[in-house]
Amino acid sequence: DADVTQTPRNRITKTGKRIMLECSQTKGHDRMYWYRQDPGLGLRLIYYSFDVKDINKGEISDGYSVSRQAQAKFSLSLESAIPNQTALYFCATSDARTGFMREQFFGPGTRLTVL
Amino acid sequence: GNSVTQMEGPVTLSEEAFLTINCTYTATGYPSLFWYVQYPGEGLQLLLKATKADDKGSNKGFEATYRKETTSFHLEKGSVQVSDSAVYFCALGENSGYALNFGKGTSLLVTP
Repeated sequence: DADVTQTPRNRITKTGKRIMLECSQTKGHDRMYWYRQDPGLGLRLIYYSFDVKDINKGEISDGYSVSRQAQAKFSLSLESAIPNQTALYFCATSDARTGFMREQFFGPGTRLTVL
Repeated sequence: GNSVTQMEGPVTLSEEAFLTINCTYTATGYPSLFWYVQYPGEGLQLLLKATKADDKGSNKGFEATYRKETTSFHLEKGSVQVSDSAVYFCALGENSGYALNFGKGTSLLVTP
């Protein structure tokens, strides 16, 4: 079974609709992240969370909100979807141990299309 | 701030050719460096990493050396295969930071 899962894998919605993307992990990591990927732009950080009570905005958080329901679950919401939020969304996790920066582990992605 | 610059793609090579994908970085401290690979329709997978200067990361025939003097972490492979066709991302993470900074990705297509 995959360590980091995302649901749904694909979603088509209309402008103005509320959308929730879900992420679950079995790696036991404290840190979780949401990124979006757009062609030619790489990955950009939307939100990150170091534990259930520690949630922080990334570089492109406008129009998004998140919820860390448990150590293993981190959801991303689009309150009122707009077409320029059409993108591939990735959840990632990492180990919180101190020392050098740890690698992140990614889910398979959710392809979201807003019409 | 921190940033990563990768050579633009797409890169098209014949099978068994030598591969180099350039990556340079800007960082305020001494970051860890990573190469991730994204196969079609999949998420990103860690390919290799290096945590300090002069470290060499290697995996699946790919190598990259952390060069502090040139702020580079170029990815190389001596003989590419069709199955190496993917998008490759260079990334850095400050050891006191909270997330990774990714380059824009380089698409590689290997033809038979």
